[in-house]
Amino acid sequence: SAVISQKPSRDICQRGTSLTIQCQVDSQVTMMFWYRQQPGQSLTLIATANQGSEATYESGFVIDKFPISRPNLTFSTLTVSNMSPEDSSIYLCSSATSSYNEQFFGPGTRLTVL
Amino acid sequence: GQQVMQIPQYQHVQEGEDFTTYCNSSTTLSNIQWYKQRPGGHPVFLIQLVKSGEVKKQKRLTFQFGEAKKNSSLHITATQTTDVGTYFCAGQTDSWGKLQFGAGTQVVVTP
Repeated sequence: SAVISQKPSRDICQRGTSLTIQCQVDSQVTMMFWYRQQPGQSLTLIATANQGSEATYESGFVIDKFPISRPNLTFSTLTVSNMSPEDSSIYLCSSATSSYNEQFFGPGTRLTVL
Repeated sequence: GQQVMQIPQYQHVQEGEDFTTYCNSSTTLSNIQWYKQRPGGHPVFLIQLVKSGEVKKQKRLTFQFGEAKKNSSLHITATQTTDVGTYFCAGQTDSWGKLQFGAGTQVVVTP
């Protein structure tokens, strides 16, 4: 199993600013994913980030708002840009060694936008 | 598009009782995964089912995948307080790893 760390664990940000969330995996993985989860709700996939290619965004999420980097097989970042209170949520990254394998999740980043 | 529905969304169980959570897809799935999320925690992988009609057990947890690969269930026997959390099913249909999560079943256990 992969062990994933995320930074920061939580942050309170002002409207209009940007926050970059880092996700580090303790082993090389093919696929990394970014999710958003509102308290008490299910997980919504933002994008899939594979090393060496552009991230693939889900409907309702765009690169200008959520730029993603995947510089190597153990690291990815998600930036939440030009934040508004509606962006307040928990952001989770996960990893998988292949398309059909289980995903391992990081502890999440709790973001509050004022 | 693919949609994975999960019921019930909330389950209040007395310690020692059994309960079941159900997951249904509008599309035939290639596999289904189950995750548990403790309060304040992150989702943790429990099991993956791939074959039609597959049944897998983990101690008091029994997972089933329907014959048509459109539904799945998680049955927990003799519920304990350690079973508290939200159980998510997540179905997969395409080759690039997208998981479609159900709404989750939040389980509360009273002693």
